[in-house]
Amino acid sequence: SHDLTQPPSVSVSPGETASITCSGDELGDKYAWWYQQKSGRSPVLVIYQDAKRPSGIPERFSGSNSGNTATLTISGTQAVDEADYYCQTWDTNTAHVIFGGGTKLTVL
Amino acid sequence: EVQLVESGGGLVLPGGSLKLSCAASGFTFSNSWMHWVRQAPGKGLVWVSRIPGGVGTPTYADSVKGRFTVSRDDARNTVFLQMNSLRAEDTAIYYCARGEYSFDYWGQGALVTVSS
Repeated sequence: SHDLTQPPSVSVSPGETASITCSGDELGDKYAWWYQQKSGRSPVLVIYQDAKRPSGIPERFSGSNSGNTATLTISGTQAVDEADYYCQTWDTNTAHVIFGGGTKLTVL
Repeated sequence: EVQLVESGGGLVLPGGSLKLSCAASGFTFSNSWMHWVRQAPGKGLVWVSRIPGGVGTPTYADSVKGRFTVSRDDARNTVFLQMNSLRAEDTAIYYCARGEYSFDYWGQGALVTVSS
C-alpha cells in the first residue's frame, strides 16, 4: 500500500506536548515531510526530511521517522498551533507524491 | 521574496475545460520543479501533477491522467494546468507549489467549481 494514515484529530492542552503520527509501509525507508494548514490559508512546510526545520519554524516543532511511522511532535503547544497537519512522502517507483489524510490539532 | 500567484479558476460545466496559471517570482524558475496540489472543500491535500525544471517528463496522479496537462513557460516564469473533461469531483482549490520532493512555497490557491 502507498497510503499514509493519520489520526483524524488530536487534542492537547496549552503547554503540553502534542504528537501526530503518520503510518505507511516501510515509511522509515523514505523521507517524511510535514505541513501545517490553518483555516482558510495555504499549507506551510514545518518539517522536511524527517526532522529538519525550515527557517522561521519554531524550535518546538520536531520530527522523527522510523519503521512504519513518522511522528510530528509539538512541545509546549500554543493556541497558535491549532491547525490541520499533513504528512507527505514520495513514491520513488511512480514519482508520485503521497499525502496523509490530515490531522486536526485542537488546543483546548 | 518568493511569490506564487494562481489565476484562471472559476465555474465550469461538467465535461468542460479550464486552464490555470501560476506566475512565479523571487527565485530561479527555470531550474525549479513545480507541482499542482488540490483540496476539495473540507477535505485533505491531494497531489495532482508535477513538471521538472529543465528537461524532464511531467507526471500525473491516476485520477487526472489523460485529462489534465501541465506545462511551463520559463520565459514568463509561469506554470499552467490545462484541465479537460472536468467532473464534479474535480471541484477543489488548486495550489501551485515549488519543490522537488517536497513543497517549500505554495500559492494562495485558485478555486475551481465543476457544476451544472
